[in-house]
Amino acid sequence: DVKVTQSSRYLVKRTGEKVFLECVQDMDHENMFWYRQDPGLGLRLIYFSYDVKMKEKGDIPEGYSVSREKKERFSLILESASTNQTSMYLCASSFNLDTQYFGPGTRLTVL
Amino acid sequence: EDQVTQSPEALRLQEGESSSLNCSYTVSGLRGLFWYRQDPGKGPEFLFTLYSAGEEKEKERLKATLTKKESFLHITAPKPEDSATYLCAVRSNFGNEKLTFGTGTRLTIIP
Repeated sequence: DVKVTQSSRYLVKRTGEKVFLECVQDMDHENMFWYRQDPGLGLRLIYFSYDVKMKEKGDIPEGYSVSREKKERFSLILESASTNQTSMYLCASSFNLDTQYFGPGTRLTVL
Repeated sequence: EDQVTQSPEALRLQEGESSSLNCSYTVSGLRGLFWYRQDPGKGPEFLFTLYSAGEEKEKERLKATLTKKESFLHITAPKPEDSATYLCAVRSNFGNEKLTFGTGTRLTIIP
């Protein structure tokens, strides 16, 4: 079975802090994705990566950056957290850009 | 721009009462339509991928069907453990590799 893990289930940070969210997959998938999920808005793509050191912007990249130094790991970085970045963050991976498998999510609260 | 609309927003059924969830979509060439199940506080769990009109897939009490404009998720004789939010997503043949998600149908099965 595909396993996607995320570093934290719950995270509380203060405005202006730098925040790192980590995602690891164990299936040698080339493609990895970061989404955020908000009530009434559904899942929205922040960034995705189709190879090591490669990244592409999704629909809402502002205020975020990503890093992919190893194939199995994809990090989302909030350079200076703001209250409007309070959300559920979901990581996903896929082999053939088809079916995406999701991690358990990180519930981030920015105070 | 790709769009996905799911209805109803919420549905309450008695245990054993069959029903259907709807996913209407507009997309520039459908490459795939995906159904996911999401339990509260968790990441989406993959259920089905449909590629072309007329295709059907089944898993236990769930059956997904696809036409050129919409997809249905039929639930036959549901049990309380089928309670979850069901998400629909599409990928188009054009643009980047993102999925466009609907906002989901929250299904509650009453014992």
